[in-house]
Amino acid sequence: DTAVSQTPKYLVTQMGNDKSIKCEQNLGHDTMYWYKQDSKKFLKIMFSYNNKELIINETVPNRFSPKSPDKAHLNLHINSLELGDSAVYFCASSNAGGRPDTQYFGPGTRLTVL
Amino acid sequence: ELKVEQNPLFLSMQEGKNYTIYCNYSTTSDRLYWYRQDPGKSLESLFVLLSNGAVKQEGRLMASLDTKARLSTLHITAAVHDLSATYFCAVSQGGSEKLVFGKGTKLTVNP
Repeated sequence: DTAVSQTPKYLVTQMGNDKSIKCEQNLGHDTMYWYKQDSKKFLKIMFSYNNKELIINETVPNRFSPKSPDKAHLNLHINSLELGDSAVYFCASSNAGGRPDTQYFGPGTRLTVL
Repeated sequence: ELKVEQNPLFLSMQEGKNYTIYCNYSTTSDRLYWYRQDPGKSLESLFVLLSNGAVKQEGRLMASLDTKARLSTLHITAAVHDLSATYFCAVSQGGSEKLVFGKGTKLTVNP
């Protein structure tokens, strides 16, 4: 029944490791997003895919690589994790061009890098 | 570059009181959103405002949009404890799907 789901919910790892976060939506939306929320609750977009095509690519270190195998899934792979990557990562989805095109957010993945 | 400013960033109010949260943005936009976030939880969509003069109400919350002033307000009427949360406004940049979020207003409603 979940609209936008993410796994895992919590991720604790050491510096230098590589990790992935998965996101799936069952809303039939064509656009998916990754956001980062830092410790001060500031929310910033990282990437967006529309029908498996990258449409938004903010200034993010290239250690972060999104992958969209189909329009219902958007994964985020992070290489060589750093302390500053600790944050909550939210996936979202919407129907681009829809009116309204509200973005629906997943539950978040809390990443802690030690 | 689009900038979105919310104020206040922290708001402590008593139950039963009214208050307004303000959201200013720096460049023209055709869409503005309000979201609510409870501690440790996801973001929940509250309102979407698409045109100048748009007003939407849900329970004790009312949102409005003035595109000429580049200002949206979220008005809280007769606050109750359950409204305690962080409220974010987000503005669409240049008609794109990119949303720029304000820093959020942490609302605490005290009995």
